[in-house]
Amino acid sequence: NAGVMQNPRHLVRRRGQEARLRCSPMKGHSHVYWYRQLPEEGLKFMVYLQKENIIDESGMPKERFSAEFPKEGPSILRIQQVVRGDSAAYFCASSPTTGMSNQPQHFGDGTRLSIL
Amino acid sequence: AQRVTQPEKLLSVFKGAPVELKCNYSYSGSPELFWYVQYSRQRLQLLLRHISRESIKGFTADLNKGETSFHLKKPFAQEEDSAMYYCALSGLSSGSRLTFGEGTQLTVNP
Repeated sequence: NAGVMQNPRHLVRRRGQEARLRCSPMKGHSHVYWYRQLPEEGLKFMVYLQKENIIDESGMPKERFSAEFPKEGPSILRIQQVVRGDSAAYFCASSPTTGMSNQPQHFGDGTRLSIL
Repeated sequence: AQRVTQPEKLLSVFKGAPVELKCNYSYSGSPELFWYVQYSRQRLQLLLRHISRESIKGFTADLNKGETSFHLKKPFAQEEDSAMYYCALSGLSSGSRLTFGEGTQLTVNP
């Protein structure tokens, strides 16, 4: 089991461009979580998705950010019109649960997004 | 609102010395507490969770609801314990999402 796979590992974008971050959960996992880590800070929850459904997006910025987890393929975190403040590490995690809070989440290596 | 506080950003000990990484939380309800660890050039991985009440790599952590703490302890630190440690919380009112502390960088010196 390759674990949670995120790509790309590093992504460089210029201000105003779009960034697309991909996450393939562990085999058998149907729940995906996205977290953001700004420099010198801890991980902050962004969004929780199941296949074709957004369950909790309370941590997502109101504008420019969106996430999806289609029936087929990886989960995508999309950031439109990126700004310098979007520079961060974005981590994806997955779990096999039906949403119960006592199941551990397994993390990917993260995508380091740099905005020029 | 739920919150996790790790008061020490950096912690340095000598090999063989006891180590304690502090974690305090605020949550109105019964939380689930976790410790995650990130070794150099590796991904974040679960170290232990309070519900399991187990010892992993010599580390233990006890949930103290009176003091709202979940400190991570090891009686004799090893050089390979050097890593970034994150305390995290989840609870029924917050669904599955994890709330993380800012992390403590542990360095074990020879």
